[in-house]
Amino acid sequence: SSELTQDPAVSVALGQTVRITCQGDSLRRYYASWFQQRPGQAPILVIYGKNNRPSGIPDRFSGSTSGNTFSLTITGAQAEDEADYYCHCRDSSGNRRIFGGGTKLTVL
Amino acid sequence: QVQLVESGGGLVKPGGSLRLSCAASGFTFSDSYMSWIRQAPGKGLEWVSTISSGSSYKYDADFVKGRFTISRDNAKNSLFLQVDSLRAEDTAVYYCARDLTVLRGAFTGENAFDIWGQGTMVTVSS
Repeated sequence: SSELTQDPAVSVALGQTVRITCQGDSLRRYYASWFQQRPGQAPILVIYGKNNRPSGIPDRFSGSTSGNTFSLTITGAQAEDEADYYCHCRDSSGNRRIFGGGTKLTVL
Repeated sequence: QVQLVESGGGLVKPGGSLRLSCAASGFTFSDSYMSWIRQAPGKGLEWVSTISSGSSYKYDADFVKGRFTISRDNAKNSLFLQVDSLRAEDTAVYYCARDLTVLRGAFTGENAFDIWGQGTMVTVSS
């Protein structure tokens, strides 16, 4: 399969925990990553591989994988976390890269 | 300062061409795999092409179909994307990004892009 499926929109109350998920067959075989994109800005990497966070990414962001599902969890969501989130991986052939359709996170 | 700066975008007629450039600084460009990713207005991210550190390997999305060519000049720390036979559906912001598949010459197994430029807009319209 060459698709990654995300919920189009998710909301969370300020300070609460939210999980954003990404599903796809290739997630069983390859490491994946999450990108955050605020309006008008370039994406930034927030999680990759086995729950790795790049320097500067707050530790409230964490990742996990189970079967064909790759999840991003934000523990104690902040107003500045309101953004679009995209998952990314390879397709089943391994030669092409694919993105999920994106999840718009609203912090209430 | 780790940075990628794209340039070369603009307004072009259908069937036209552009050469997009990406200038890298603050990291060892010649050790890095590099990629182009695009985003149409109001849409999601779409991978375009990836090139290995020494240009030996190139990978393209299916929609490229020989119309786009990725290349690099390690002596000038620069990445390029030649885009030909442009169509209205190619209208997008084009980002260059460092690919974590290979880091400092070693395969990591990761599928991630850790450094992004600010993007350059390509508009295809008559």
